[in-house]
Amino acid sequence: AQTVTQSQPEMSVQEAETVTLSCTYDTSESDYYLFWYKQPPSRQMILVIRQEAYKQQNATENRFSVNFQKAAKSFSLKISDSQLGDAAMYFCAYRSASAGNNRKLIWGLGTSLAVNP
Amino acid sequence: DGGITQSPKYLFRKEGQNVTLSCEQNLNHDAMYWYRQDPGQGLRLIYYSQIVNDFQKGDIAEGYSVSREKKESFPLTVTSAQKNPTAFYLCASSITRTLVYYGYTFGSGTRLTVV
Repeated sequence: AQTVTQSQPEMSVQEAETVTLSCTYDTSESDYYLFWYKQPPSRQMILVIRQEAYKQQNATENRFSVNFQKAAKSFSLKISDSQLGDAAMYFCAYRSASAGNNRKLIWGLGTSLAVNP
Repeated sequence: DGGITQSPKYLFRKEGQNVTLSCEQNLNHDAMYWYRQDPGQGLRLIYYSQIVNDFQKGDIAEGYSVSREKKESFPLTVTSAQKNPTAFYLCASSITRTLVYYGYTFGSGTRLTVV
C-alpha cells in the first residue's frame, strides 16, 4: 500500500525568506500524481500545486515550486518570499494514475508552517 | 461559480442523536468524499462514492452512513453509534473519468460538537 510521510510536524520561516517542506512517499507504481494542499486557519483546503510523475519538469505556481525526485520518492515544496498569508497547515498527497479502485488520495499528516514578521 | 457547499458550518449534537451534514457540488464531478479531521491525525476517509447509487467505506466508516441518490449530493449522517463525533468534517469531490487527474475540490467544512 502506498504511504505518504511528512517528517516535519512544525516549521517556521521569517517573512520574505524561503522555506522547504519535505514529503516522501512509498509506492511500487511508476505513474501517479502528487499534490500539495494548504489549509489556512479558515480550514478551507486549497490546492497549491500538483505534479504528474511522468513529467520530469518540476511544477511551479508563482512563489511555490516543488523538487520532485522520482527515484528517491521525494516531493518537497519550496515557498519563496514567504508571506504572512502562507501560514497554514500543508498536506502532501499521492494518487495512483492507474484505473480501478485506487482513486483516493493518500495523505500525509501535515506540516504546520508559521510565518514570523 | 462552481464549487462545493457544506452546511451547516457549525453543528451541535446531543448525546444519542443522529445528525446529517450536507454536501452539494455543482462541478459535475463524478466522485465525492467525506473526511474527518482531528488535531494531529490529518485527514481520515469516512466514505466515498465514485458514481450515483454506489459508495464504499473508507478507513473509519463505523458510526457513519451516507447516500448518493444524486450526482450533486452526498450527505453524511453521524449516528448515535459514533461514540466520539466531535471533529471537523470535510467534503470533497473530483473528476475521475479523465485521462489527466487534477485532484480534489473541497468544501469549507462543518464543525460538529457533541453537547
